[in-house]
Amino acid sequence: DVKVTQSSRYLVKRTGEKVFLECVQDMDHENMFWYRQDPGLGLRLIYFSYDVKMKEKGDIPEGYSVSREKKERFSLILESASTNQTSMYLCATSSGGGISIEQFFGPGTRLTVL
Amino acid sequence: QKEVEQNSGPLSVPEGAIASLNCTYSDRVSQSFFWYRQYSGKSPELIMSIYSNGDKEDGRFTAQLNKASQYVSLLIRDSQPSDSATYLCAVKGPSSASKIIFGSGTRLSIRP
Repeated sequence: DVKVTQSSRYLVKRTGEKVFLECVQDMDHENMFWYRQDPGLGLRLIYFSYDVKMKEKGDIPEGYSVSREKKERFSLILESASTNQTSMYLCATSSGGGISIEQFFGPGTRLTVL
Repeated sequence: QKEVEQNSGPLSVPEGAIASLNCTYSDRVSQSFFWYRQYSGKSPELIMSIYSNGDKEDGRFTAQLNKASQYVSLLIRDSQPSDSATYLCAVKGPSSASKIIFGSGTRLSIRP
């Protein structure tokens, strides 16, 4: 079974703080993704990575950065948190390439920015 | 037009009946199609994937794909209260670099 863990289930931060969300997977998957999920907007891709030290912008990268120093770990960084970044953040992983790339999700981090 | 469209619901179905969830997509060259189930407050979990036209059955779940109509559906037979959740349709393009695009989800409620 793929196991994807995220550092916190719930997080409360203040406006302007630097926030780190961490995702760790134990299945040696090459691909890792960060999404945010908001009511009525569905899942939106923030950043993804196909390999160590590699990153690609998703659909809504503004205000975020990422780091992938090791294959199993993918961090999402909010450089200066704002209230509009209050959301559910989901990490996902998938293996290899080709058409049958199924994504497996972590439990999510519900972030509230005050 | 959204890339992946689903009726947001809620869709209310009596226990034991068939629940039918629908999804349309805009990119004609899409190759991979997924259905995820998401319980309230939880993360999505993959329940079905389908890659070729026709039906694919797994237990009480059947995924149906019609690429000509750009339409994918999920049927849940003998619906149970535990099937009450939001169902996300996801679509991926043909290349290894293609991203998965998720729909906003359909909320399904099974009434006893």
